[in-house]
Amino acid sequence: QVQLVQSGAEVKKPGSSVRVSCKASGGTSNTYGINWIRQAPGQGLEWLGGFIPISGSSQYAQKFQARVTIIPDESTGTTYLELNNLTSADTAIYFCAREAFGHGFDFWGQGTLVTVSS
Amino acid sequence: IVMTQSPATLSVSPGERATLSCRASQSISDHLAWYQQKPGQAPRLLIYAASSRATGIPALFSGSGSGTEFTLTISSLQSEDFAVYYCQQYDNWPYTFGQGTKVEIK
Repeated sequence: QVQLVQSGAEVKKPGSSVRVSCKASGGTSNTYGINWIRQAPGQGLEWLGGFIPISGSSQYAQKFQARVTIIPDESTGTTYLELNNLTSADTAIYFCAREAFGHGFDFWGQGTLVTVSS
Repeated sequence: IVMTQSPATLSVSPGERATLSCRASQSISDHLAWYQQKPGQAPRLLIYAASSRATGIPALFSGSGSGTEFTLTISSLQSEDFAVYYCQQYDNWPYTFGQGTKVEIK
């Protein structure tokens, strides 16, 4: 069974950076991408970006382009999200999700709460 | 691509049918997915390619549409179906979600 297991909650200061991990197991391959989606308290879903294994590159939402990086580690099956220059508006639950191309996001991590507070 | 869902909230009695709408600001062919999210949980994929049910999703969930207009129908609402539903386009980067429709008990 496919599982995506994310790292634990983080509390960060404004202006700092956060790295969230997502480890995949069971049924992963180069045909699947890992995407990152966040959800602010009481709000909807917002796509930050995704890694496309076939091309070896990532796509990012323009809103986050300047301060987000998605980093895959094939050796461990882990994908990392790095978000820089944090503000209180970045307080949210961050989800990773597996993309089966043409089939949507079929498996999701449990979510990681990132709180940005002075 | 902007995804617009309607209504924002849908009040339905158990056993009744629920119809949720999703509109894309430009054609996305059938590159649309629907997700269900319950409080405190990650979203769950219900429908992909506009009308194909994901693995393990019961037949009471159905999707239709193509181009810019899409519909999710829940044929007979059960207690466990009261949740927030999101549509998402994956035709073009950046991928985008609708703002969600909350299905609540009437």
